[in-house]
Amino acid sequence: QKEVEQDPGPLSVPEGAIVSLNCTYSNSAFQYFMWYRQYSRKGPELLMYTYSSGNKEDGRFTAQVDKSSKYISLFIRDSQPSDSATYLCAMSEGAQKLVFGQGTRLTINP
Amino acid sequence: NAGVTQTPKFQVLKTGQSMTLQCAQDMNHEYMSWYRQDPGMGLRLIHYSVGAGITDQGEVPNGYNVSRSTTEDFPLRLLSAAPSQTSVYFCASSFLGTGLDSPLHFGNGTRLTVT
Repeated sequence: QKEVEQDPGPLSVPEGAIVSLNCTYSNSAFQYFMWYRQYSRKGPELLMYTYSSGNKEDGRFTAQVDKSSKYISLFIRDSQPSDSATYLCAMSEGAQKLVFGQGTRLTINP
Repeated sequence: NAGVTQTPKFQVLKTGQSMTLQCAQDMNHEYMSWYRQDPGMGLRLIHYSVGAGITDQGEVPNGYNVSRSTTEDFPLRLLSAAPSQTSVYFCASSFLGTGLDSPLHFGNGTRLTVT
């Protein structure tokens, strides 16, 4: 079993919908949680990061961490066609190794 | 600033050949790493370095060598290419590592095919 599990999708929703992306993990030592966005033929770029349980909001994006359930989520409100990309969750215990989920391919249809 | 630069963008190798994937960053980052990305597998860490002269293994190090002689460069060497090494390779760097206030900056990848 992988340390981090993410539904690969693909996920297709209409423009303006609320999108929910999720990851589960098995390593209780993970303490840093991140979401990366990857456009086709490009490297991933950091979208959101958080530490410990709770919510963090940045514009249309909200990251949520539930350490008791070992579950993290990313919500996208008022989704736009430009949000179409692969979204990767990532987490680490400390400062040396980042473990990624498989990535979810998201398409927002105009 | 160019950020993280990877060369070449594309490469085709025959089984048994060796080659070096280049990675350079101009952000004075101490931490550098190599990942491979395969369908359904996500990004998997191959090797990483926390500074010049210091390297360590990640999740999938077999068949790859690295060295870090300068802060700027972190080349990845394939010793004897195998079809299982067909993948997209990403180099990433950060100021301090993979912690909260130190986001990874990725290059745009090298697409390698081994026949």
